[in-house]
Amino acid sequence: DAKTTQPTSMDCAEGRAANLPCNHSTISGNEYVYWYRQIHSQGPQYIIHGLKNNETNEMASLIITEDRKSSTLILPHATLRDTAVYYCIVRAYSGAGSYQLTFGKGTKLSVIP
Amino acid sequence: DAGVIQSPRHEVTEMGQEVTLRCKPISGHDYLFWYRQTMMRGLELLIYFNNNVPIDDSGMPEDRFSAKMPNASFSTLKIQPSEPRDSAVYFCASSFFAGLGNTIYFGEGSWLTVV
Repeated sequence: DAKTTQPTSMDCAEGRAANLPCNHSTISGNEYVYWYRQIHSQGPQYIIHGLKNNETNEMASLIITEDRKSSTLILPHATLRDTAVYYCIVRAYSGAGSYQLTFGKGTKLSVIP
Repeated sequence: DAGVIQSPRHEVTEMGQEVTLRCKPISGHDYLFWYRQTMMRGLELLIYFNNNVPIDDSGMPEDRFSAKMPNASFSTLKIQPSEPRDSAVYFCASSFFAGLGNTIYFGEGSWLTVV
């Protein structure tokens, strides 16, 4: 899997949009971008994933640049419950390495009242 | 669906004792994963199964660790003998590989302390 680079930590005011960046400059054409988060003392939670196009679900939006070398996870209205470590993961969609997730260090997002 | 179920949630044991962690994957999922999380090393994949068969155990730290999946609804991770450095949170996860972009779902973890 391609490596990803994320900021170590970020703050966001409650009610504002949280924009979490991720660089994956060595991503291959057959690799997805996944985002998970881990709230303290809980298991990692799936948020969203995408290949080329921007994606949106009930939790977040994922914006992938046209060259696919970076992406941004957007939490539109952050709440205190969004305080967590957010992991950006690049994962092949077929073949060896496509079955598991390889976690980096992630970004610690703190939502501030 | 009840999600991935792990037991015990917390365990404290003495060095040298055998530890058995248990996992029930989501019904219908054919992939099962065991991860370990520590402050120093983060989340690491230990082993994963497909249709109850171990596929990749390259992350298993040493012979003291073993994992089994006797059927589609149950898996165990065993540590014998346990050591203080095995203290960590152990996560079980499962997925249904339905082609492209499948999602892996995690349990709440088993917190192991070896004293």
